[in-house]
Amino acid sequence: QVQLVQSGAEVKKPGASVKVSCKASGNSFTLYGISWVRQAPGQGLEWMGWISTDNGNTNYAQKFQGRVTMTTDSSTTTTSMELRTLRSDDTAVYFCAAKDSPASAPLDPWGQGTLVVVSS
Amino acid sequence: QSALTQEASVSGTVGQKVTLSCSGNSKNIGSYAVGWYQQISHGVPKSVMFGNSLPSGIPDRFSASKSGTTASLTISGLQPEDEADYYCSTWDYSLNAQVFGGGTKLTVL
Repeated sequence: QVQLVQSGAEVKKPGASVKVSCKASGNSFTLYGISWVRQAPGQGLEWMGWISTDNGNTNYAQKFQGRVTMTTDSSTTTTSMELRTLRSDDTAVYFCAAKDSPASAPLDPWGQGTLVVVSS
Repeated sequence: QSALTQEASVSGTVGQKVTLSCSGNSKNIGSYAVGWYQQISHGVPKSVMFGNSLPSGIPDRFSASKSGTTASLTISGLQPEDEADYYCSTWDYSLNAQVFGGGTKLTVL
């Protein structure tokens, strides 16, 4: 079973960028894809996109197209999500979760979450 | 507005059976397996069901079903530790995106 460990909390100003990392350990890294899901304070879960850890193919939610980039590095078994032009409503906990393919397979397991606060 | 519709809240007593529902359409629930995720006290979500499969470590009082465009999660023999928010999720081929329900807050009385 893969384990996912995310980078620490971030505080950013509006207009800045943030990059959150998700390091996988355990089973073969390239057997998985990684989804990114965020949760604003008091709100539900929101899917941001998915990246294949095998070939780097991505599938982004339309809402974040042009503002998000997901990358993967098999040498460090780390996947990253960069969100640009931050706004206050991007304040949320950002989770990575293993997902074998974008359309099927469960989100399992999840990283511990990374709080990103956007505030002037 | 969420693509999948869940009850805002459901409650039950210890030992009772409760069913949570998740309503979608032919482009999502009607076409793909549904995952259910438990989130206790705004912590890390955990997969408790995918399709009809129970992940390792999840008690067998959890079960799931699907009929057409509605999926259900049933918890038989409700326990205090089941109190949590539950989210359903699946793929939507028209949106080319993973979609979530708004979540159901389950209270164990």
